[in-house]
Amino acid sequence: EADIYQTPRYLVIGTGKKITLECSQTMGHDKMYWYQQDPGMELHLIHYSYGVNSTEKGDLSSESTVSRIRTEHFPLTLESARPSHTSQYLCASSSFEETQETQYFGPGTRLLVL
Amino acid sequence: GDSVTQMEGPVTLSEEAFLTINCTYTATGYPSLFWYVQYPGEGLQLLLKATKADDKGSNKGFEATYRKETTSFHLEKGSVQVSDSAVYFCALISSGSARQLTFGSGTQLTVLP
Repeated sequence: EADIYQTPRYLVIGTGKKITLECSQTMGHDKMYWYQQDPGMELHLIHYSYGVNSTEKGDLSSESTVSRIRTEHFPLTLESARPSHTSQYLCASSSFEETQETQYFGPGTRLLVL
Repeated sequence: GDSVTQMEGPVTLSEEAFLTINCTYTATGYPSLFWYVQYPGEGLQLLLKATKADDKGSNKGFEATYRKETTSFHLEKGSVQVSDSAVYFCALISSGSARQLTFGSGTQLTVLP
């Protein structure tokens, strides 16, 4: 079983607030990812990191930012939340050492911006 | 670019029915193929995977065979249970995608008792 954690699991917040979604993994994985999952279920990659101090934007443009100061930690921040940010956010990690590069997912954070 | 096309849902079956969820792909090189499952209110869990042609991935009674000639990775189960109700995602990683997962759109499965 994968050891990847996300907090909070659910968050309801007002427009304009700053929020940080936490993601941590204890597997020592180099690579970490953030996906946004819309109500139609489709997943979109919004950020990824290949290691400490490495961050890249994904396929879907997002107003969020990420940081990777420690291998195990990959938080996502929204400086000013808007209703359009309402979604589920999934964090994942994988290892360069695995040739199949299986991604392991956290339980997700369901965000509602009022 | 890489893409994954999944059978449109939702799919509704009776318990003990046979399940097939179709998945075809377009990718550069020799991709690895995956099926993930998402139960209500949870994140994605890896269900099974296959890394080369003719490999068969299997787990919890589910199977999928990597068919390079038809670029397919269809998910099958001989007898579904109510507890199999979930959303199923087909996905791939190829060398042409900077080693990032490309997902299908997901198929909602509901199994009725």
